[in-house]
Amino acid sequence: AQSVAQPEDQVNVAEGNPLTVKCTYSVSGNPYLFWYVQYPNRGLQFLLKYITGDNLVKGSYGFEAEFNKSQTSFHLKKPSALVSDSALYFCAVRDPGAGSYQLTFGKGTKLSVIP
Amino acid sequence: GAGVSQSPRYKVAKRGQDVALRCDPISGHVSLFWYQQALGQGPEFLTYFQNEAQLDKSGLPSDRFFAERPEGSVSTLKIQRTQQEDSAVYLCASSLVTASSMNTEAFFGQGTRLTVV
Repeated sequence: AQSVAQPEDQVNVAEGNPLTVKCTYSVSGNPYLFWYVQYPNRGLQFLLKYITGDNLVKGSYGFEAEFNKSQTSFHLKKPSALVSDSALYFCAVRDPGAGSYQLTFGKGTKLSVIP
Repeated sequence: GAGVSQSPRYKVAKRGQDVALRCDPISGHVSLFWYQQALGQGPEFLTYFQNEAQLDKSGLPSDRFFAERPEGSVSTLKIQRTQQEDSAVYLCASSLVTASSMNTEAFFGQGTRLTVV
């Protein structure tokens, strides 16, 4: 079975500082990994994905994520946080080797960027 | 618009009432997903369609939940005899995902917030 863990319910960071939102996963084979962001009263918006290749993936709004197979992690990062980055962030995994079409999401991490 | 559209945005139902939630996916997307998002939680998978075929309904919590996509486009999630524990945001997503393209991302609608009173 596939699963995702986001160990932090909330992350606070000062504007201009680097941010990291953590994610670890568990799948039987090679994972497809995704990050989504959710603003209040809005649907989930796709940020970036890792499928194969370079472990460092770049996405929308200056975000990037690093795939680490040995640590089964896919942490989301941004070099300089903006107040507008404050939102709820979800990591998700799909296990294609298991023939699974569904995305399994973590519980989410609330990011607050303090001016 | 070009995105996934869901209606209604908000629905209040009395306990025991039947409800129907609609999803218009992105044109040309063969895959359609329904997710349930409880307050303070991540979305949880309910069911998956590839065109009109419902390939996975393992996440439907009870036989009161039923989904259909008869023409491979618009989908409806129906909940019969609603209960308070059904209160959640119901998200629809569409994707180009098929067996040969499972690496594509899903695009989500804004969701329908269902409140059962």
